[in-house]
Amino acid sequence: NAGVTQTPKFRVLKTGQSMTLLCAQDMNHEYMYWYRQDPGMGLRLIHYSVGEGTTAKGEVPDGYNVSRLKKQNFLLGLESAAPSQTSVYFCASSYSAANYGYTFGSGTRLTVV
Amino acid sequence: GDSVTQMEGPVTLSEEAFLTINCTYTATGYPSLFWYVQYPGEGLQLLLKATKADDKGSNKGFEATYRKETTSFHLEKGSVQVSDSAVYFCALTRNTGGFKTIFGAGTRLFVKA
Repeated sequence: NAGVTQTPKFRVLKTGQSMTLLCAQDMNHEYMYWYRQDPGMGLRLIHYSVGEGTTAKGEVPDGYNVSRLKKQNFLLGLESAAPSQTSVYFCASSYSAANYGYTFGSGTRLTVV
Repeated sequence: GDSVTQMEGPVTLSEEAFLTINCTYTATGYPSLFWYVQYPGEGLQLLLKATKADDKGSNKGFEATYRKETTSFHLEKGSVQVSDSAVYFCALTRNTGGFKTIFGAGTRLFVKA
C-alpha cells in the first residue's frame, strides 16, 4: 500500500537551474497539495488541485508552477531556482480533508546553492 | 484570515509524565481541527481529528477536544513514552475552497527515559 510517493528524496540545485518534483498517489484522491516546510514556520501551501486538470495558487506560489494531467500525479516545477527555495517539500492528498485529513508523502529535501 | 497558534517548544518531559501542548485558532465558520505528528525524516501523519464543536478526538492515548468557546484544541496524553518524541502540528481545515489546511508552527517534544 504505497499511499503518497515523492521523488526525488534529496536534490541539490545551483541557482538558476530548473527541476520538477513528482508526487504520485494510489488512493484515487481528488485533492492534492504541495507544501513547503521551513524551520519555525510550519507548513505553507504552495499550490493545490481539486481534480484532474485543475490547479490553484496557495499562500506562497511565486517561483513555482504545477500540473495535474493525470489524477494520480501532481508535479511541482521550479523554473529558476533561488536559495530562498531551499526547503523540505511535502505533497499531500485527500479524499475529503475536512473529514479525513491529509495523507502525506515522505518529503523532498531541496538545497539551492 | 485563518490562523493556528501553538505553544513553542521544545517541550522536554520524563517518561510517564503528563503532556499538554496548547493550540488556539482563528477562523470564521466551523473548520475541522487536526493534530498531526512528524517523526524524524518522515512526512506528517494524522494523529487525531475533531470535525465539530465539543467533539473529542483520540488515538494512541492522545486526546484533544474542540472548544469553540475558547477557540482551542489542546493536545493531551496522560503518560508519555520515549517513542512519542516527535514534532506535533495543530491544523485547521475549512469545509470549502479545496479543503486547504492551515498548520501551526509545530512543537517539538523530547521524552527522556
